Amino acid sequence: SQELEQSPQSLIVQEGKNLTINCTSSKTLYGLYWYKQKYGEGLIFLMMLQKGGEEKSHEKITAKLDEKKQQSSLHITASQPSHAGIYLCGAVGAGGTSYGKLTFGQGTILTVHP
Amino acid sequence: GAVVSQHPSWVICKSGTSVKIECRSLDFQATTMFWYRQFPKQSLMLMATSNEGSKATYEQGVEKDKFLINHASLTLSTLTVTSAHPEDSSFYICSAKDRSNTGELFFGEGSRLTVL
Repeated sequence: SQELEQSPQSLIVQEGKNLTINCTSSKTLYGLYWYKQKYGEGLIFLMMLQKGGEEKSHEKITAKLDEKKQQSSLHITASQPSHAGIYLCGAVGAGGTSYGKLTFGQGTILTVHP
Repeated sequence: GAVVSQHPSWVICKSGTSVKIECRSLDFQATTMFWYRQFPKQSLMLMATSNEGSKATYEQGVEKDKFLINHASLTLSTLTVTSAHPEDSSFYICSAKDRSNTGELFFGEGSRLTVL
């Protein structure tokens, strides 16, 4: 089955700083999702990446998919306290018993100090 | 955008009782829905894939007789936690895939189950 590893597992930054979260897959990525969550609440969809080399941005968040490396990165510029939360990457399985299933990395807990 | 509704958002029950959680796609049809479980400070763990009109596919280690899944229509999947015990207390989230969409998944707001 496809496994996703996120790094770092937790991150504490000062407001205004830039940060990057990485997501590495054990298999080729055919669809990579980034979500934000506060525990006990639903997931907030951030971005979906499907093509190798694809890069998307939304406000101060940019995500890239490096298909060759089976990796995606999420970059936040000039972080704000509102960016705090759990960031999850999810990947859709491409074949076999994993086909169509969305599985998640272990999450990155982001804390932003004002 | 597409909306997935979960109900109830939170539920408290006594040990030994069964609890049903509903997941509805409000403005699209979903042939496939996924059920996840999340413990505090942990990520979402896929429990099962719910397929409309057929049996659910369970992940390894998930008891199908414990977590009954029914996907009777293109807009509704239910998860029933049977004979609930305190260790079943968790946050359960469903997601649905729009049958007319190429990839995006939509998540419910989650249901917090507390078993006393």
